[in-house]
Amino acid sequence: QKEVEQDPGPLSVPEGAIVSLNCTYSNSAFQYFMWYRQYSRKGPELLMYTYSSGNKEDGRFTAQVDKSSKYISLFIRDSQPSDSATYLCAMTPAAGGFKTIFGAGTRLFVKA
Amino acid sequence: SAVISQKPSRDICQRGTSLTIQCQVDSQVTMMFWYRQQPGQSLTLIATANQGSEATYESGFVIDKFPISRPNLTFSTLTVSNMSPEDSSIYLCSVVAGGYEQYFGPGTRLTVT
Repeated sequence: QKEVEQDPGPLSVPEGAIVSLNCTYSNSAFQYFMWYRQYSRKGPELLMYTYSSGNKEDGRFTAQVDKSSKYISLFIRDSQPSDSATYLCAMTPAAGGFKTIFGAGTRLFVKA
Repeated sequence: SAVISQKPSRDICQRGTSLTIQCQVDSQVTMMFWYRQQPGQSLTLIATANQGSEATYESGFVIDKFPISRPNLTFSTLTVSNMSPEDSSIYLCSVVAGGYEQYFGPGTRLTVT
C-alpha cells in the first residue's frame, strides 16, 4: 500500500463547476499537508498549505484535512480553464521539505 | 520565495552516456533537493544536498549513479551516469524557503535512447 493515494484522473469538468480533489494517506505521523499545481512542462507550485486538521481558504481554493479519516481535499470553486493542470497532494511529518511524500497527481481539465 | 532555474530544460541522450543537470537559486538556501518525476507517478526524492557536505541519498539511489555537487549556497548539479532508457524522466530541483514552503525548478526532461 502506498503511503499516499491519489486518483490520477483525468477529471473533466465544465467551466464554473466546483471541483473536488482528494487524497488518502496511511501514516498518522503526517502533520503538514500541501497542494501543488503543476502546469504542463513546468515544475510544481505550492497552492495551499495546512497544518494538522481543519479548513483553509484562499480565494477560490479551499483545503480540508481530516486526520481522523486520513483524508485531505482541495475544492476549487467557479473553476476556470486556466485551472487545467495536474494537482498533487503532499504531506510530511515535519516542516522543511524533509520526508515529504507526494501523491501521483490528478489531471484536471476545465472546459470552456 | 525562491526562483529556481535549471539547465538544460530537455535533452535526448544515448544509453551509456552521462548528463549533468544544473540548478541555480536566486537566494542562498541551506538545503537543496533533487527529485525524479516519471509519467503517472509521484515525485520521488533522489537526494538532499547540503553545501559543504556529502549529499544524502534515498533508498534506491546511489552516489555512483547520481553524483551531486553543491559548491555554494545557490547552486547544485545532479549527474545521471551511465544512462539507460529507464532513466528517462523529469528531474526537478527544489528548495525550502520561509520554513516550509517548497519551491521547484521547471524541470529537466530527459529521454534516453
